[in-house]
Amino acid sequence: TQLLEQSPQFLSIQEGENLTVYCNSSSVFSSLQWYRQEPGEGPVLLVTVVTGGEVKKLKRLTFQFGDARKDSSLHITAAQPGDTGLYLCVGAKRGTGFQKLVFGTGTRLLVSP
Amino acid sequence: DVKVTQSSRYLVKRTGEKVFLECVQDMDHENMFWYRQDPGLGLRLIYFSYDVKMKEKGDIPEGYSVSREKKERFSLILESASTNQTSMYLCASLGAWVAYEQYFGPGTRLTVT
Repeated sequence: TQLLEQSPQFLSIQEGENLTVYCNSSSVFSSLQWYRQEPGEGPVLLVTVVTGGEVKKLKRLTFQFGDARKDSSLHITAAQPGDTGLYLCVGAKRGTGFQKLVFGTGTRLLVSP
Repeated sequence: DVKVTQSSRYLVKRTGEKVFLECVQDMDHENMFWYRQDPGLGLRLIYFSYDVKMKEKGDIPEGYSVSREKKERFSLILESASTNQTSMYLCASLGAWVAYEQYFGPGTRLTVT
C-alpha cells in the first residue's frame, strides 16, 4: 500500500480557529475519500470527490479535489472540540481491485476548548 | 446505514496463542478487508476478500490467514500470536468499486504479551 502525503501531520488549535489539511500525490486518482477517525474507533467516511476542481461542503468542512486530481484539501471553519480526530485521505486509481487504493499518512487534529 | 461490527474491541493474548478476529457487515457487500493500524505507519492491508471463499494477500500477510465462508463474515486468524502483532485491527467492507467507499468497523485493539 503506497502512501499519500498529508500535511500537517499534527495540528493543535483553539476552538474557533480555521485550518486546512492537505493531501498530495504525484499520481492521478479517479476518486478520493476523506475519513475521520476518533480515538479508539474506526474511520468514518466524510466525503468522496470525483471530478477535478470539485468542491463539496459538509457543514463547516469544505473539501476540494485538485484540478489534475492529484491532490485534495480539507478546510475546517471555526473548529470545534468535536472535530478532534485523525483525518485520512484515501485515493483510488483507475482500474479495479484493492491494489488501487492509496492511503494517506494521516493528520491528527486536536481542538481545545 | 452500513454497519460493520467486530467481535471484540479489546483483546489481550499471550505469545503463541491462536487468535480469531471476526468481522460482520450487514450491507451485502462483496468486498471485505482486514487492515492493521500502527502509529507512523498508517493503515496497512493484510488481506482482502472479493467473494465467499476468495481471498487475496495484501501488503503484510505474513503471520495471518483469513476465512470467508459466508458473504457477511470475514475472519482474521493469527496462527501463533507474537508481540509484533500488537496493533489496532480494522475491518472494512466495500460495496461498489465505482465509488471506492469503504465502511470500517470500530476496530479491535489487540495486545500480545
